[in-house]
Amino acid sequence: AQSVTQLDSQVPVFEEAPVELRCNYSSSVSVYLFWYVQYPNQGLQLLLKYLSGSTLVKGINGFEAEFNKSQTSFHLRKPSVHISDTAEYFCAVINAGGTSYGKLTFGQGTILTVHP
Amino acid sequence: EAGVVQSPRYKIIEKKQPVAFWCNPISGHNTLYWYLQNLGQGPELLIRYENEEAVDDSQLPKDRFSAERLKGVDSTLKIQPAELGDSAVYLCASSFGMRTSGTIYEQYFGPGTRLTVT
Repeated sequence: AQSVTQLDSQVPVFEEAPVELRCNYSSSVSVYLFWYVQYPNQGLQLLLKYLSGSTLVKGINGFEAEFNKSQTSFHLRKPSVHISDTAEYFCAVINAGGTSYGKLTFGQGTILTVHP
Repeated sequence: EAGVVQSPRYKIIEKKQPVAFWCNPISGHNTLYWYLQNLGQGPELLIRYENEEAVDDSQLPKDRFSAERLKGVDSTLKIQPAELGDSAVYLCASSFGMRTSGTIYEQYFGPGTRLTVT
């Protein structure tokens, strides 16, 4: 079975500073990787995804993530954050094979708080 | 294009009462998912449908939870009777099918139903 670990439960940062939200996964088969954002009282919105190809993936709102297979990581980054980026961010994986094919597994979430 | 629609958005009930949640997926999406999200946690899959068939319900507590998707479009998730520990957000998501195509498709989430059991 696959699992996802988000290493920071909360990340405070000042506006216009860079930010990195860390995500590590484990799986016995190939995976696809996703980052979702959840604003208060709303559903999850896809930020970006890695399916194949270039390991550096760009998403919406200026976010990007890099897939590192050797370190089984998929960290999310933004060079300059805004107040409006305050939200909870979830890393998720889908098994590309095996008995859990297609099952989306989420990490515990990281609350990003951007201060003025 | 309309997104995933869920109702109600909020529900407060007393323990031992029944409750039902409704979801209408994005048009054309034949795969539908119900997730449970506890406070401070990531969503966990309860059940996945491809058309009318429940292809993964291994995490659904079948003693009190049930779900149906009779015509392969909208779906209802029911809890009977509700317990205090069922207080959570219930999320519905949809995507194009993967089992027949073998392709992984992005899941689109609804706003969720926040259930409070008192």
